[in-house]
Amino acid sequence: DQQVKQNSPSLSVQEGRISILNCDYTNSMFDYFLWYKKYPAEGPTFLISISSIKDKNEDGRFTVFLNKSAKHLSLHIVPSQPGDSAVYFCAAVGNNDMRFGAGTRLTVKP
Amino acid sequence: NAGVTQTPKFQVLKTGQSMTLQCAQDMNHEYMSWYRQDPGMGLRLIHYSVGAGITDQGEVPNGYNVSRSTTEDFPLRLLSAAPSQTSVYFCASSFTVGGEQYFGPGTRLTVT
Repeated sequence: DQQVKQNSPSLSVQEGRISILNCDYTNSMFDYFLWYKKYPAEGPTFLISISSIKDKNEDGRFTVFLNKSAKHLSLHIVPSQPGDSAVYFCAAVGNNDMRFGAGTRLTVKP
Repeated sequence: NAGVTQTPKFQVLKTGQSMTLQCAQDMNHEYMSWYRQDPGMGLRLIHYSVGAGITDQGEVPNGYNVSRSTTEDFPLRLLSAAPSQTSVYFCASSFTVGGEQYFGPGTRLTVT
């Protein structure tokens, strides 16, 4: 059972526009959420996180929003840059358990 | 700091063979974990450790063993390789469970 879902396998946006990546989870025990970015042939790297006591966390061009009642989080990248092209994974943590979504491949076109 | 290192980068095994994937970190992290990445499945947790001498099972532990004799090292053993274990394996470490994890570069394993 996939407890963390990223329903869009891919997303393409124009440079300078906003990228919005979505993630849904089913288990209410999750209380911490992270986004990772992955380039080909490399391990994932941490991007941004949010605790369940918050609904928004911002770091430069990256903002994560959490809607606990909907069990939904999203990652906003603005403005998008070609170097942001990568696979983005959301992850949810609770009770020593970490679950990842299947990833969304973002392509930012110049 | 080398961060998280994994060896080998690539490996081909025949069904039934055994091998150990090595993982080491030099950041004094207590928490270490192993994931496998398969198309359409994201990263799935195999085993994890919250400190030397302590290991526990993740989401997909069958067919794998781990041990944690030191803080730095967390090897993953495949006891009798099967084609279903063909995957990319990532080791990761962090200060705490659920904290920002640092991933190694991955090992691409093919079992024929």
